[in-house]
Amino acid sequence: EDKVVQSPLSLVVHEGDTVTLNCSYEVTNFRSLLWYKQEKKAPTFLFMLTSSGIEKKSGRLSSILDKKELFSILNITATQTGDSAIYLCAVPNSGYALNFGKGTSLLVTP
Amino acid sequence: DADVTQTPRNRITKTGKRIMLECSQTKGHDRMYWYRQDPGLGLQLIYYSFDVKDINKGEISDGYSVSRQAQAKFSLSLESAIPNQTALYFCATSDSSRSVAGNTGELFFGEGSRLTVL
Repeated sequence: EDKVVQSPLSLVVHEGDTVTLNCSYEVTNFRSLLWYKQEKKAPTFLFMLTSSGIEKKSGRLSSILDKKELFSILNITATQTGDSAIYLCAVPNSGYALNFGKGTSLLVTP
Repeated sequence: DADVTQTPRNRITKTGKRIMLECSQTKGHDRMYWYRQDPGLGLQLIYYSFDVKDINKGEISDGYSVSRQAQAKFSLSLESAIPNQTALYFCATSDSSRSVAGNTGELFFGEGSRLTVL
């Protein structure tokens, strides 16, 4: 059975801190891993990772995939209150639809 | 106007009632999905459709049915709603032509339909 496990489930940090969010997976025939950010409404796309060891970066957010150890991390440096959100990790199943983890709820306090 | 539109946005109903949630999209995407979100459980896949004649069950399809009436429309039905179907429901789309090596690629979500079953 395909599994996507995120940790921690929730996290509270102060503005300016750096955070690392984790996503491990077990899927048949891995193709890619995607990260989404969800604020009050619908999730929005952050990154798609397909190759091991290649970092994807967007501003203060970056992500990397380790296909040997079956995990990905999402880093956020110099956190701001606007980074408060649920961060979701997802992996396509054998039918090519995305299976999501439970998410990490991040709260950045002033 | 939103590219992926869900109706209704909010609905309160009673146990045993039949409910339909509708999704329409103007993105021209061929793939459509229904997800359910409960607090602390992330997004769970209910059904998905890769074209008009294709319907597939997701992780939690029991108690739900779907209809893909056209490429742009995908509706979710609860034949006899029960309280544990109270949740936030999202429709999403993706474009197979932008997929990489068979990957699903990026999903585009509607704004969600909040359903409460009393």
